[in-house]
Amino acid sequence: GENVEQHPSTLSVQEGDSAVIKCTYSDSASNYFPWYKQELGKRPQLIIDIRSNVGEKKDQRIAVTLNKTAKHFSLHITETQPEDSAVYFCAASRGGSYIPTFGRGTSLIVHP
Amino acid sequence: SAVISQKPSRDICQRGTSLTIQCQVDSQVTMMFWYRQQPGQSLTLIATANQGSEATYESGFVIDKFPISRPNLTFSTLTVSNMSPEDSSIYLCSVAGNTGELFFGEGSRLTVL
Repeated sequence: GENVEQHPSTLSVQEGDSAVIKCTYSDSASNYFPWYKQELGKRPQLIIDIRSNVGEKKDQRIAVTLNKTAKHFSLHITETQPEDSAVYFCAASRGGSYIPTFGRGTSLIVHP
Repeated sequence: SAVISQKPSRDICQRGTSLTIQCQVDSQVTMMFWYRQQPGQSLTLIATANQGSEATYESGFVIDKFPISRPNLTFSTLTVSNMSPEDSSIYLCSVAGNTGELFFGEGSRLTVL
């Protein structure tokens, strides 16, 4: 089965800095890579995703990159704000009806 | 998108008792998923609930401990049986959207004393 590793487990940055979270996956057939944000006491929510036919995707201050050869993908948050503080989960799946496998999560703390 | 309602949102339970969590979706879905999130941990899939058939359980989870019902395409229940303090967790119901993303309920936070 799929195995997703996520690093770091905790990331502390100053407001305005950039934050990068990295994930690796093991199943070369995986082609869908979503990122979820879970604020304290809230449900996880999708913030961005990427499919294997592209190498990068941006949405305002958030971007995700994918390197299929190396089997890793990363989340980049620029100009971080205190409201970005949350736990971020990466995931990988084969898409369709395949259920994603989640990474262990990264707790991002943005200090004002 | 899908709107998912879960209840109870939280409960405190005594060791040895059982609790049933309900999940209601605002649209018909083929598969519903039940996850467990232990404190500070990731999302672990317990089982996939399909309407009209028995749930499919992941390694480490068994039907006797986590019986699941799926009476129709918008509703499912998860029961946590014979609870112990190790079952203290957040239990999340989830469904998949058309493009593969998952939508989650607010979660049910269980504390077992």
